[in-house]
Amino acid sequence: NAGVTQTPKFQVLKTGQSMTLQCAQDMNHEYMSWYRQDPGMGLRLIHYSVGAGITDQGEVPNGYNVSRSTTEDFPLRLLSAAPSQTSVYFCASSSRGPTSYEQYFGPGTRLTVT
Amino acid sequence: QQQVKQSPQSLIVQKGGIPIINCAYENTAFDYFPWYQQFPGKGPALLIAIRPDVSEKKEGRFTISFNKSAKQFSLHIMDSQPGDSATYFCAASRSRGTSYGKLTFGQGTILTVHP
Repeated sequence: NAGVTQTPKFQVLKTGQSMTLQCAQDMNHEYMSWYRQDPGMGLRLIHYSVGAGITDQGEVPNGYNVSRSTTEDFPLRLLSAAPSQTSVYFCASSSRGPTSYEQYFGPGTRLTVT
Repeated sequence: QQQVKQSPQSLIVQKGGIPIINCAYENTAFDYFPWYQQFPGKGPALLIAIRPDVSEKKEGRFTISFNKSAKQFSLHIMDSQPGDSATYFCAASRSRGTSYGKLTFGQGTILTVHP
């Protein structure tokens, strides 16, 4: 199993440009989510999905869109990039177990918006 | 609004020391409290987790202490090693319904263990 994969690893955008961060998992997990990590603020939930066709907003959804057409893929779209979206983005997936709800994180995408 | 507050921001100990990282939460509906470990350039990885029906959980050199009445929990690392140097995050979530994956993270603690 590859686990959770993310592409690209690094990206530089100019203000106003759009792009899609890709996320895929091969563990058949129903739950997938996107977080952003900023210094001193931990990880904050952007959007999440509890299954194909179902998505919902997290703590910081503004400026981001998601869709979930398959169990495996959960792309994050930046519609019009802003410098405030400079961050490291992590995708995660999980499945409900009897005693734990371990989230598996991808390696991250470091995004810089100039 | 930060629902999970973590301290300290950074921590330096000598090899063999016992670093302690503390977290406090506000939402009494939280019933799952994991700790994640993150190395530079990597995604966070689950280290250990606890539910509020127990006051302590040990896995190897890592121990979570949980105080439900105070709404606080902490991570202790016994006999710390240089390889434990990493950023540690506490988190909390509700396990009911579809909320089980909605983790609320603390701010993180950068731990350095000197040889």
